[in-house]
Amino acid sequence: DVKVTQSSRYLVKRTGEKVFLECVQDMDHENMFWYRQDPGLGLRLIYFSYDVKMKEKGDIPEGYSVSREKKERFSLILESASTNQTSMYLCASSFSGGGPKNIQYFGAGTRLSVL
Amino acid sequence: DQQVKQNSPSLSVQEGRISILNCDYTNSMFDYFLWYKKYPAEGPTFLISISSIKDKNEDGRFTVFLNKSAKHLSLHIVPSQPGDSAVYFCAASLTGANSKLTFGKGITLSVRP
Repeated sequence: DVKVTQSSRYLVKRTGEKVFLECVQDMDHENMFWYRQDPGLGLRLIYFSYDVKMKEKGDIPEGYSVSREKKERFSLILESASTNQTSMYLCASSFSGGGPKNIQYFGAGTRLSVL
Repeated sequence: DQQVKQNSPSLSVQEGRISILNCDYTNSMFDYFLWYKKYPAEGPTFLISISSIKDKNEDGRFTVFLNKSAKHLSLHIVPSQPGDSAVYFCAASLTGANSKLTFGKGITLSVRP
């Protein structure tokens, strides 16, 4: 079974803090993704990475950065947390290529509250 | 511009009946479609998918239908069970787009006992 592990299920941080969300996958997937989920807005892509040290902006990258130093690990960084970044953060991974290889497997999510 | 649309935010059905969840898309280049199920406080789990070369795919109680001319797909759940109550996301991809998925906003399905 594919396993995508997010380091924390719940986090509470203060405005202005630097926040690290970690994600690890064990399926040797080339691609990794960070989304946030908010009520009524669905899943919105923040950043994704298709190879080590490679990254591309998604739909809502502002206020976020990412790091992928190893194939299995993808980190999301909130440089200076703000209250509007309170959300559910979801990490996913997949193989490269079309069709069934595009199936993304998700972690359990991190519920981040910024006070 | 929302390329994958789930126009109904919620659906309520009686246990044992059929649930039909709809999804529309605008990009005719999409060649693979997926449905995910999400419970509160959990990550989405892959449910079923279909290639654009097919018009139907079935897996147990779940069937996905694709109508390419209408740019429409639907997920049928028969019979519906209370454990099916969740948010369902439709997603689409196209080969060569770095495996990105374009998600709809989701439909909340409630199955009444």
